[in-house]
Amino acid sequence: QVQLQESGPGLVKPSETLSLTCAVSGYSISSGYYWGWIRQPPGRGLEWIGSIYHSGSTYYNPSLKSRVTISVDTSKNQFSLKLSSVTAADTAVYYCAREGVGATTTWFDPWGQGTLVTVSS
Amino acid sequence: QSVLTQPPSVSGAPGQRVTISCTGSSSNIGAGYDVHWYQHLPGTAPKLLIYGNSNRPSGVPDRFSGSKSGTSASLAITGLQAEDEADYYCQSYDSRLSGRVFGGGTKLTVL
Repeated sequence: QVQLQESGPGLVKPSETLSLTCAVSGYSISSGYYWGWIRQPPGRGLEWIGSIYHSGSTYYNPSLKSRVTISVDTSKNQFSLKLSSVTAADTAVYYCAREGVGATTTWFDPWGQGTLVTVSS
Repeated sequence: QSVLTQPPSVSGAPGQRVTISCTGSSSNIGAGYDVHWYQHLPGTAPKLLIYGNSNRPSGVPDRFSGSKSGTSASLAITGLQAEDEADYYCQSYDSRLSGRVFGGGTKLTVL
């Protein structure tokens, strides 16, 4: 059974870089699949941040692309998110998820429990 | 503003049937990209309900069903139960944005 767990600081100062890690258990990242990051600001809906293929290819939300870096560490079986120059608008619950692959699109399953990141001085 | 449009809220009495729509355009649903649906209870991880327009993952009750036509998709829930009260999101791919996209979400209230 695949399980994902996000970890990282819960508080980040404005203009700094948000860094989160998603530890994967029950499946080897290097074996396949896409792996994604999604966030939900307070009171708002889900927003896709970006995804990484097990080989290292990355795909980012155009609205965040200039500030986002997603990487994978197969030796630790985890993947990471870095979001630079954060503002209060980046305050959200951040989720990581594995992406199932269909004929035309991918879907997110399973998801991690999520971690709240607050941007504040 | 989400690329995929969902009604902000829907409601129904226990035992009733409700549907949640997800309206897209020619660059996403209308272009043939599949639609997926999630159930999200506050404080928990979103749960995949439907993938590939109409497929249910193992463990999802057959009270939940999905369909797609043209530039829209729908999630139907029959035999509504109190435990179905949650937020529901559709998700697809948009070729103009070159990325995964979510609907704005629909809050289901069981009366």
